[in-house]
Amino acid sequence: DTGVSQDPRHKITKRGQNVTFRCDPISEHNRLYWYRQTLGQGPEFLTYFQNEAQLEKSRLLSDRFSAERPKGSFSTLEIQRTEQGDSAMYLCASSLPKTRQGDYEQYFGPGTRLTVT
Amino acid sequence: GNSVTQMEGPVTLSEEAFLTINCTYTATGYPSLFWYVQYPGEGLQLLLKATKADDKGSNKGFEATYRKETTSFHLEKGSVQVSDSAVYFCALSDETGGGNKLTFGTGTQLKVEL
Repeated sequence: DTGVSQDPRHKITKRGQNVTFRCDPISEHNRLYWYRQTLGQGPEFLTYFQNEAQLEKSRLLSDRFSAERPKGSFSTLEIQRTEQGDSAMYLCASSLPKTRQGDYEQYFGPGTRLTVT
Repeated sequence: GNSVTQMEGPVTLSEEAFLTINCTYTATGYPSLFWYVQYPGEGLQLLLKATKADDKGSNKGFEATYRKETTSFHLEKGSVQVSDSAVYFCALSDETGGGNKLTFGTGTQLKVEL
């Protein structure tokens, strides 16, 4: 299977702890996105990378959140000093850049469900 | 800013009934529009898309037409099946600055019964 993968699928942590999630995109995709989805809501954009460069960050991404994509392949999302409000599904997606004919749709991974107790 | 508004669910239908899920949007410029589907226990999957006004996206019997004059992208299917039970998300892509981040609606849960 060459889809987007995320690890772990579930994470339970205590308030105040740090957590890190990993996303492996589809191999030829140079764009990678992170979204957050809370119960009953649609996903909300957090940040995106083109290759290793982080090109945009949402105001939702507080200074406790940091994302990296060091070699332009996999990405990590770290949350420091977790709060109960951080409980959500964290989704990763990847795509090719938009071209006139290209397939630039975003393909999503299964998500990492974070529960902060 | 950009936003997407979907009809609230859950929507419950009998098998073979006609489906419409309403979606309207607010955006600057000319976004692309998408419908994503999330089956129970699975990730988001692209169902269909339309990239410009009057385009019709279609897949698996579902259709949606990009209506710029009414800023709408309603999802329709002529005859639903139990296997269509899922949550459906309308989304638009904001290509400001060269990226194409997605703005989603809140989702509409569809339940199809025998």
